[in-house]
Amino acid sequence: DAGVIQSPRHEVTEMGQEVTLRCKPISGHDYLFWYRQTMMRGLELLIYFNNNVPIDDSGMPEDRFSAKMPNASFSTLKIQPSEPRDSAVYFCASSSGTWAGKLFFGSGTQLSVL
Amino acid sequence: GIQVEQSPPDLILQEGANSTLRCNFSDSVNNLQWFHQNPWGQLINLFYIPSGTKQNGRLSATTVATERYSLLYISSSQTTDSGVYFCAVGRYSGGGADGLTFGKGTHLIIQP
Repeated sequence: DAGVIQSPRHEVTEMGQEVTLRCKPISGHDYLFWYRQTMMRGLELLIYFNNNVPIDDSGMPEDRFSAKMPNASFSTLKIQPSEPRDSAVYFCASSSGTWAGKLFFGSGTQLSVL
Repeated sequence: GIQVEQSPPDLILQEGANSTLRCNFSDSVNNLQWFHQNPWGQLINLFYIPSGTKQNGRLSATTVATERYSLLYISSSQTTDSGVYFCAVGRYSGGGADGLTFGKGTHLIIQP
């Protein structure tokens, strides 16, 4: 299995630009999670999906953030417009069969907003 | 939400030493997992352990759910064990499930 695949690995953009992060979960996994990691706040859950449906988006910081999962093998996290305080590592993770399943993380996207 | 506290925050050991990392949580949980973040940033799942004891090679973990803590044991440490160890917990009730909440981690450095 290829694991959870995220792209791009690194993204550098200017304030005000739109940023789209992408994630392909492990095949057969029906839960998908987006996390953000910063030095100040650690690992924070932004949103998670079950069977492509958003279940809890209470961690999404502002309306500038949106996430979609159009099918079982693809999800996006979009920031529009981006701000310097959005700079962080964004992780996607997936798990199988049950919410309490073992969680597998992608390699993350390092986002820098200048 | 559930509060997760990990201790110690930092730990420096010589190769070959043993260590115990602790995770305390503020409420009952039915999901607890341990992760290792290596120096390259990759998060690796070590254990899914909402209760009981598990072992995997030099690593083992024990969760005492009734007392709201979990321990991760690392024996005969190697330099490749360096990194940050995270505990993450979650709770499912009839009304729905929370995502995993992560502690701030224990930063472990193994010196040769």
